[in-house]
Amino acid sequence: QKEVEQNSGPLSVPEGAIASLNCTYSDRGSQSFFWYRQYSGKSPELIMFIYSNGDKEDGRFTAQLNKASQYVSLLIRDSQPSDSATYLCAVKDGGSNYKLTFGKGTLLTVNP
Amino acid sequence: GAVVSQHPSWVICKSGTSVKIECRSLDFQATTMFWYRQFPKQSLMLMATSNEGSKATYEQGVEKDKFLINHASLTLSTLTVTSAHPEDSSFYICSARDPGGGTDTQYFGPGTRLTVL
Repeated sequence: QKEVEQNSGPLSVPEGAIASLNCTYSDRGSQSFFWYRQYSGKSPELIMFIYSNGDKEDGRFTAQLNKASQYVSLLIRDSQPSDSATYLCAVKDGGSNYKLTFGKGTLLTVNP
Repeated sequence: GAVVSQHPSWVICKSGTSVKIECRSLDFQATTMFWYRQFPKQSLMLMATSNEGSKATYEQGVEKDKFLINHASLTLSTLTVTSAHPEDSSFYICSARDPGGGTDTQYFGPGTRLTVL
């Protein structure tokens, strides 16, 4: 059973701070890792994907991947109230079924 | 970026009727689409994988005769909830796999909120 674990939160940070969201996965064969943001009542929106160990930066967002530790994280710099949402970590294995395994999500609240 | 649409965005129906939801990839061809269901304050639950030109693959516990999936073209998949009951009321979301650019990423539609009376 492939599992993706996230701290459900809520994670509360002040505006302008760095928000750190963490995710661990059980399948060592996992190849691709995705972060989605989901506002209440809306569908998930892709923020970033990462395939290789290390950091990947896109604007205020940085994804970090450590395959040896089976750990992926998302850092949000200069957090804004508009970043308040549930952040979903998703993992794709190396097989051909293309399915994603989602974590249950971390609720982030950025306080003005 | 890749755009996926869903129609309708919301629907209310009477118990026992059938409802069809459409999912379209607007700017890319999607050989694979996925259908999810999400109940309030719960995570996404994958219902089935829809493959163009072949039968859908259903997740364990999902009734294939109740949730009919048709992936008739490279840009359209439909989900029909047959003989809907109040317990089928949920947020149904599709996603489409974009294999282009080497990203092999899933993009989500805006979702369809189904209420069965």
